[in-house]
Amino acid sequence: GAGVSQSPSNKVTEKGKDVELRCDPISGHTALYWYRQRLGQGLEFLIYFQGNSAPDKSGLPSDRFSAERTGESVSTLTIQRTQQEDSAVYLCASSLWLLEASNEQFFGPGTRLTVL
Amino acid sequence: SQQGEEDPQALSIQEGENATMNCSYKTSINNLQWYRQNSGRGLVHLILIRSNEREKHSGRLRVTLDTSKKSSSLLITASRAADTASYFCATDAAGGYNKLIFGAGTRLAVHP
Repeated sequence: GAGVSQSPSNKVTEKGKDVELRCDPISGHTALYWYRQRLGQGLEFLIYFQGNSAPDKSGLPSDRFSAERTGESVSTLTIQRTQQEDSAVYLCASSLWLLEASNEQFFGPGTRLTVL
Repeated sequence: SQQGEEDPQALSIQEGENATMNCSYKTSINNLQWYRQNSGRGLVHLILIRSNEREKHSGRLRVTLDTSKKSSSLLITASRAADTASYFCATDAAGGYNKLIFGAGTRLAVHP
């Protein structure tokens, strides 16, 4: 596709339910990132995938959060037993990978998650 | 703690004026990037400046980097109402390849 896509665009769920968010990166981009953005705040890094390397999960806030990526394509972020504090916009980004430094990241439109 | 921190948190100016936003960071970096966000959704990359560069231009944007002070500034010249958005700096820590740390952002409002 032309850009990074995410689905759903909005998700409202009840506290305690599980949710799954999807990200389709730009074709050919080997690096994929998930971020969380609470209202009026900056982006919090959650997790980073690069090719077949072990993902960098250092930003996941708790064991209720997990993410998977199929090869160099689609990624899903799963939040189990959602809490009201999980309410935020979840942003996905992809980039070409450079050995020595970061490259421009291309962001999707995000999924706005509301936990009631 | 956050790697990048912007100031001011909010900036309100008239069309035609220049807008300057600053970013400070704590550790050595490979590069620093500026992004723009409209309406709290996806971010758009504006400009990337490498640690061995001091200034970079792109259209009405001018970015400076002072690695001795661990700070950067983004200048938007001749601002337009369409420049209204939040602006974030993001740093790539040296040795932490491809992992960007974002600041809290500056909310810019440009009034016609």
